[in-house]
Amino acid sequence: NAGVTQTPKFQVLKTGQSMTLQCAQDMNHEYMSWYRQDPGMGLRLIHYSVGAGITDQGEVPNGYNVSRSTTEDFPLRLLSAAPSQTSVYFCASSYSDRGGTEAFFGQGTRLTVV
Amino acid sequence: KQEVTQIPAALSVPEGENLVLNCSFTDSAIYNLQWFRQDPGKGLTSLLLIQSSQREQTSGRLNASLDKSSGRSTLYIAASQPGDSATYLCAGTGRDYGGSQGNLIFGKGTKLSVKP
Repeated sequence: NAGVTQTPKFQVLKTGQSMTLQCAQDMNHEYMSWYRQDPGMGLRLIHYSVGAGITDQGEVPNGYNVSRSTTEDFPLRLLSAAPSQTSVYFCASSYSDRGGTEAFFGQGTRLTVV
Repeated sequence: KQEVTQIPAALSVPEGENLVLNCSFTDSAIYNLQWFRQDPGKGLTSLLLIQSSQREQTSGRLNASLDKSSGRSTLYIAASQPGDSATYLCAGTGRDYGGSQGNLIFGKGTKLSVKP
């Protein structure tokens, strides 16, 4: 009963390094998304995907890339890490993006950029 | 742009009290509304989902309602317990972000502390 799995749970990067945050779901959900959570800002949408091969930008996409080659996986890539990207990142999925489907979240990746 | 406000930002109550958490949207064109619980350092746990054709949902001691005409939702917790201590987040889906109904717009949460 895995649900949404994110790896790693914690990561420290140096400014300018790149990395990929992994997200996988085993519920055959079409819709997947990435959010970042910052103190005082709430959760903000970074990128989302309504199905394999389809991605789109959310509210704060700059500095991040995504791809969706399979239904199960939706990795988030930081191209050149900056201190402003220090945050907690959450991946979410739901059955579809149409009408009233429940969203499920992973446990988060806590990223620190120094 | 849709904005979500949660009131109060923090709440401390003695065990056993009934309480209400509030959530309001600047744009009342909400498709669905979901309430989440977040424990410190943890992910989000879904509590209740109110679909577009519904007005309320109940699960155990929790009841959530949605008034689309006013853009307001409330989460009612009956007979609160210390284990209810957490941050409660409401999130709606609407017509932002290219119209995908899957994209959630979050409030900043209400931090609840229930004291024994």
